[in-house]
Amino acid sequence: DGGITQSPKYLFRKEGQNVTLSCEQNLNHDAMYWYRQDPGQGLRLIYYSQIVNDFQKGDIAEGYSVSREKKESFPLTVTSAQKNPTAFYLCASSISYTEAFFGQGTRLTVV
Amino acid sequence: AQSVAQPEDQVNVAEGNPLTVKCTYSVSGNPYLFWYVQYPNRGLQFLLKYITGDNLVKGSYGFEAEFNKSQTSFHLKKPSALVSDSALYFCAVRPFNQAGTALIFGKGTTLSVSS
Repeated sequence: DGGITQSPKYLFRKEGQNVTLSCEQNLNHDAMYWYRQDPGQGLRLIYYSQIVNDFQKGDIAEGYSVSREKKESFPLTVTSAQKNPTAFYLCASSISYTEAFFGQGTRLTVV
Repeated sequence: AQSVAQPEDQVNVAEGNPLTVKCTYSVSGNPYLFWYVQYPNRGLQFLLKYITGDNLVKGSYGFEAEFNKSQTSFHLKKPSALVSDSALYFCAVRPFNQAGTALIFGKGTTLSVSS
């Protein structure tokens, strides 16, 4: 069953905690992306990676970190420096110029 | 700055009527253009794309979109709306001459189809 798998579906974070969102793809795509979705604001780019061991900051990278050690995996860590992390997080992958395919998302809530 | 605008936060249409969801873009160079749909608490599903060629692009679930270079628009259309089409729709663009860039999204338009 090919696609993009995000886990967990729901995640709760306490103040001051770091949490990591998982994203795995078996589509053999080179590029992977993390977006944040807030109501009425569309999708904003956090980080993206075109190849293994390389990634670039998006528009709202502050308070987030990523790694790309394997082609299939692009985990996102939400650090304690991110002051307003409650949001819906979407991971995607693509081949170069083509459309991106999205996972089902992780809803992160600060408690 | 490169951007995508969806001027309507919400579009309301009766079932069986045609629908249009508007999108305009601002990018350097020729764009690759995309439409996605999102249902509540789900990821985005790809509907259709314009890369080159015919300005009228057909996609999934009976949707189509018309690329207009002079007006920098890429409006999504469907001849006859269904209640099940009610969802959040996103327009996105990727500049043609920049392979190493991510998709830029509009803020989304909520489509509500009444029975």
